[in-house]
Amino acid sequence: SQQGEEDPQALSIQEGENATMNCSYKTSINNLQWYRQNSGRGLVHLILIRSNEREKHSGRLRVTLDTSKKSSSLLITASRAADTASYFCATDLTSGSRLTFGEGTQLTVNP
Amino acid sequence: KAGVTQTPRYLIKTRGQQVTLSCSPISGHRSVSWYQQTPGQGLQFLFEYFSETQRNKGNFPGRFSGRQFSNSRSEMNVSTLELGDSALYLCASSSGLVGGELFFGEGSRLTVL
Repeated sequence: SQQGEEDPQALSIQEGENATMNCSYKTSINNLQWYRQNSGRGLVHLILIRSNEREKHSGRLRVTLDTSKKSSSLLITASRAADTASYFCATDLTSGSRLTFGEGTQLTVNP
Repeated sequence: KAGVTQTPRYLIKTRGQQVTLSCSPISGHRSVSWYQQTPGQGLQFLFEYFSETQRNKGNFPGRFSGRQFSNSRSEMNVSTLELGDSALYLCASSSGLVGGELFFGEGSRLTVL
């Protein structure tokens, strides 16, 4: 099974609203990353948060990490129609040697 | 700085054929990873090459193989194609630091008929 599991699988909101996506994982990590994928295209790296960090910001993105609960959340504030995409979390496991991706959350922002 | 380039972008094959996909990483990157993406299985790791050596391998049958050249360009090959091999094949390059950021290409969309 996938190491990271995103929740919800799909999210539909109106432009201007905030979007929150969650990622849970099972074992210890070095870092957790979030990627975005527009339909049928490659993935684009959004943000990396290390295991000793609790929160990180990048523009309209805010990522939190709770290692005790083995979970992370991605918040997109003031969403835009252009934010419509799939969002994936990827974990760098302490026991592994490559990034492992979750199933993704499909975000739709309606204009 | 040019991004990751994958060729071809789209291709159609029939069962039993073989296919070769190519990936040119970002200049200076020594690591190339390959992923298979399907609606049912999500992103599945195929293998990673670093400095011409396979550094990591996913859980795929031997029909899936790859290699990396001295200029860091990489190819992956799938022999004896099956219908289930239809997928988006994504290549990602990085500096080689384990757990570091990956830079993805646009992918090669393979359809097996």
